[in-house]
Amino acid sequence: KNEVEQSPQNLTAQEGEFITINCSYSVGISALHWLQQHPGGGIVSLFMLSSGKKKHGRLIATINIQEKHSSLHITASHPRDSAVYICAVRDGGSQGNLIFGKGTKLSVKP
Amino acid sequence: DAGVIQSPRHEVTEMGQEVTLRCKPISGHNSLFWYRQTMMRGLELLIYFNNNVPIDDSGMPEDRFSAKMPNASFSTLKIQPSEPRDSAVYFCASSFRATSETYNEQFFGPGTRLTVL
Repeated sequence: KNEVEQSPQNLTAQEGEFITINCSYSVGISALHWLQQHPGGGIVSLFMLSSGKKKHGRLIATINIQEKHSSLHITASHPRDSAVYICAVRDGGSQGNLIFGKGTKLSVKP
Repeated sequence: DAGVIQSPRHEVTEMGQEVTLRCKPISGHNSLFWYRQTMMRGLELLIYFNNNVPIDDSGMPEDRFSAKMPNASFSTLKIQPSEPRDSAVYFCASSFRATSETYNEQFFGPGTRLTVL
């Protein structure tokens, strides 16, 4: 079993829809990251969180430590949101390296 | 700041050749990470440095892989000899770590796409 599971693997949405991507993990963690990988390959860090909720513009990330679950929400989705979204956890028992999920490929149609 | 700089952006080589990938972290960052991304396995940590010292190299696949960080502004990842299964995108990332208990977000370089024929 993978230590970090994301769902769905692929997601197609219409412009304007509300989008949710889920991440579950099985290890104890000190922090969870959401990353965005553009079609060109570049990786951008969206959020780093260890509790509660964070919001940047149309993006919202939540985490429930007890349930070992995090969600990434995109409100009023736009075609430029099309990318692969990767969940990564920082193993609390290690020196701090990241363990990655396989990613969710999001395609937002105009 | 220019962000994390990696070179080359693309590398095509033949099996058995030595390959050297380079990374310049963001100025002031004291942690540097090398990752590999493949279709089959996704992103994987290869090695992680803190203050130029390798902390965790458990992700390095085998002895053909080696990484160095001679100073705070430069790191290399070397594969010798290279094999077709090493074909992947190699990312370097950096961050600032204030204490052993704190971590900040990582900033990724553009990656090096390696093809070994």
